[in-house]
Amino acid sequence: EPEVTQTPSHQVTQMGQEVILRCVPISNHLYFYWYRQILGQKVEFLVSFYNNEISEKSEIFDDQFSVERPDGSNFTLKIRSTKLEDSAMYFCASRSSYNEQFFGPGTRLTVL
Amino acid sequence: AQSVTQLGSHVSVSEGALVLLRCNYSSSVPPYLFWYVQYPNQGLQLLLKYTTGATLVKGINGFEAEFKKSETSFHLTKPSAHMSDAAEYFCAYSGGGADGLTFGKGTHLIIQP
Repeated sequence: EPEVTQTPSHQVTQMGQEVILRCVPISNHLYFYWYRQILGQKVEFLVSFYNNEISEKSEIFDDQFSVERPDGSNFTLKIRSTKLEDSAMYFCASRSSYNEQFFGPGTRLTVL
Repeated sequence: AQSVTQLGSHVSVSEGALVLLRCNYSSSVPPYLFWYVQYPNQGLQLLLKYTTGATLVKGINGFEAEFKKSETSFHLTKPSAHMSDAAEYFCAYSGGGADGLTFGKGTHLIIQP
């Protein structure tokens, strides 16, 4: 069964450093998403991406964040200068033309 | 703006008892509604979804949910709880299109032996 994969599973970084979180969505999917979940809190939408451009972004997705689909398979989230409050689990999701989003296992980002 | 409210951050039931997890939404457009389950240190797995059509939807692991437009609710039920059902459950809403999901705060389901 096809699935969304994410790497790395855990990333530790120093405050102020850049990080890139990587996702491989399901191959025939058209819509791609990033969410985050701060420990003990709800899952929050960050950004959606369709047809090689951002479709929608939340207030959380400020200028420190960017997304890219550098090739036909990967979908990345970059945080330019990490802050302590960026520590969270980051989930990638993808979907086809139907509304069901499939989530990856997540990347736990720890900013020290 | 749309929002999702899950009543009860923790719900505890005995094994074999009925599970009822509550979800209410607010939206100005017809909703697409979802229930996801999250086991410890894992990602989100879709349990079931409502898009259009039949208001009673069945999902995996014996769960079902009923969309009630008049009550703006989408409560999740299971007739008989199993120990393996212990997890975090999230209700989510989408307005369609490329919209991201709006999640509720989650309900931690505890199963007592």
